[in-house]
Amino acid sequence: AQSVSQHNHHVILSEAASLELGCNYSYGGTVNLFWYVQYPGQHLQLLLKYFSGDPLVKGIKGFEAEFIKSKFSFNLRKPSVQWSDTAEYFCAVTPYGNNRLAFGKGNQVVVIP
Amino acid sequence: NAGVTQTPKFRVLKTGQSMTLLCAQDMNHEYMYWYRQDPGMGLRLIHYSVGEGTTAKGEVPDGYNVSRLKKQNFLLGLESAAPSQTSVYFCASQRLAGPSASSYEQYFGPGTRLTVT
Repeated sequence: AQSVSQHNHHVILSEAASLELGCNYSYGGTVNLFWYVQYPGQHLQLLLKYFSGDPLVKGIKGFEAEFIKSKFSFNLRKPSVQWSDTAEYFCAVTPYGNNRLAFGKGNQVVVIP
Repeated sequence: NAGVTQTPKFRVLKTGQSMTLLCAQDMNHEYMYWYRQDPGMGLRLIHYSVGEGTTAKGEVPDGYNVSRLKKQNFLLGLESAAPSQTSVYFCASQRLAGPSASSYEQYFGPGTRLTVT
């Protein structure tokens, strides 16, 4: 079964610091990749997704992610975080044409004003 | 559009009681999913459905049953609740993949917080 690994479950940053969250998956074939965000007390929302094409994907709120096929990775980045980025971030993967998502365990990010 | 809605938002059950969680979507999506979210565990798929009248087991199906009698609704049942089922339950729906895309993102409901004592 495929698995998704997210490291550094708890991240604490100051405002304006840069953020990078790692995501690695174990599936060897073609995959579709997603990052979702869950703000406190809210449901999951899509940040960005990668299906094909340019491996550098830009999402909402200044987030971007880079797909590196050789490393089975899809790391999320934001150059300068804000207090409002405090949330839990989930990486998710689905094999091509599968439509079942496998989620990582999430990264709890706290941004200190 | 309301998107994906879930009923109820909160519930407390005693061990052994039963209940049904309702998920409704108004986006005409083919696929629907039930997940549970536990601290440090991410989201785990309980059951899913690829269309009206069809259901399938996910990663953690034991203790749960589901039904998809109408395309827009997906029900999750707990026949005999256990404390291990204390969790936040999320429903999601997804558009049918087609020639223009191999997959689409899932849209999530607001969640149901269930406590079993």
